[in-house]
Amino acid sequence: AQSVAQPEDQVNVAEGNPLTVKCTYSVSGNPYLFWYVQYPNRGLQFLLKYITGDNLVKGSYGFEAEFNKSQTSFHLKKPSALVSDSALYFCAVAIPVGSQGNLIFGKGTKLSVKP
Amino acid sequence: NAGVTQTPKFQVLKTGQSMTLQCAQDMNHNSMYWYRQDPGMGLRLIYYSASEGTTDKGEVPNGYNVSRLNKREFSLRLESAAPSQTSVYFCASSARVGGYSNQPQHFGDGTRLSIL
Repeated sequence: AQSVAQPEDQVNVAEGNPLTVKCTYSVSGNPYLFWYVQYPNRGLQFLLKYITGDNLVKGSYGFEAEFNKSQTSFHLKKPSALVSDSALYFCAVAIPVGSQGNLIFGKGTKLSVKP
Repeated sequence: NAGVTQTPKFQVLKTGQSMTLQCAQDMNHNSMYWYRQDPGMGLRLIYYSASEGTTDKGEVPNGYNVSRLNKREFSLRLESAAPSQTSVYFCASSARVGGYSNQPQHFGDGTRLSIL
């Protein structure tokens, strides 16, 4: 079965420290991978995507993600966390469903950045 | 530029009542989606519309119906609400090219629905 896993329900980081939010996937073929962020009482906001090319993708708000095909991972990273980065983060993969290519989302990781 | 607009933002229903959730996008996107978000379960796709005039079932379609009214609007209807449908509902849209969707989806801020 094709799936996306976010193995950590919560990640706690001190402000100024680097952060990593993990994502692994299991799909056939070459996936399109996405990260979204959700703030309280808001919809999901697009952060970045990997389609093809350079394995290191840069996105909004200083976030980046590294695509690793051999480990089937797409971890989200930021060199220096801010308290305002505290939110819920979702990894998603586009897979073919019939011919429609919809997204499958992970269950989300809550990031908490403490001052 | 409003993006994706959902109405209402909050609603409380009694079991057996019906209601329609409205969604409109102003980005000229051809694809639209309805998801539900439940604690610990991420987002699950209810229905989607790849283009105007087409709708298809997603992962959890039972108890719901949809209408793609035009390119801008995609509504979700609960015919006979059940407590299991208590959730936060999100509408999204994207520009789709080909079979794979490599364009990001844009989300509304959700409808928080409680069914008693």
